[in-house]
Amino acid sequence: QSALTQPRSVSGSPGQSVTISCTGTSSDVGAYKYVSWYQQHPGKVPKLLIYDVTERPSGVPDRFSGSKSGNTASLTISGLQSEDEADYYCCSYVGSYTLFGGGTKLTVL
Amino acid sequence: QVQLVQSGGEVKKPGASVKVSCKASGYTFTNYGVTWVRQAPGHGLEWMGWISALNGDTNYAQKLQDRVTMTRDTSTSTAYMELRSLTSDDTAVYYCARGGRDWSYWGQGTLVTVSS
Repeated sequence: QSALTQPRSVSGSPGQSVTISCTGTSSDVGAYKYVSWYQQHPGKVPKLLIYDVTERPSGVPDRFSGSKSGNTASLTISGLQSEDEADYYCCSYVGSYTLFGGGTKLTVL
Repeated sequence: QVQLVQSGGEVKKPGASVKVSCKASGYTFTNYGVTWVRQAPGHGLEWMGWISALNGDTNYAQKLQDRVTMTRDTSTSTAYMELRSLTSDDTAVYYCARGGRDWSYWGQGTLVTVSS
């Protein structure tokens, strides 16, 4: 049960797009359609952005999108805004357990 | 509205146990499981385990399964997480969240500090 691999940091300018990758294995990310993404601002509770790889909960802007190819899932944030600066975590549900990525710090330049 | 309200912060000595509660309201408690996630200071999220609110079935993270017990009380719509044999590595904010696969609703977090 190893953690999923995310880049430690990414950055982008306002209005640009950034993509955060989340790499697992054929036993977790590659095997199930249950990848979710969370945004966490400092000192705050995580917020669900994406579930089931591509689905957005109501209230989440469509600037946030998810995808998956093989053992790697991705979160793309388009039209970057200053309030997007936060930590982002991917998560893969594999039935008897769940894995998180190590987290990615997004800096909006 | 859905709410998960957790118990207050705790300070424990190494070797002690801690029990954190998570009281649910605003939905039918037995319709959803409860997941526990923790976050050590300056670190990422760690999945601890899940309990079915319906029948009490549990799944625990492999690294914690010898020390953690999750229970629930359907009469009070409350889930509990007990962690034993605490070490400084267990210092973290502990969250409960509704559901088993992805989580729109979270408790406010409970800081557990392990210090001699």
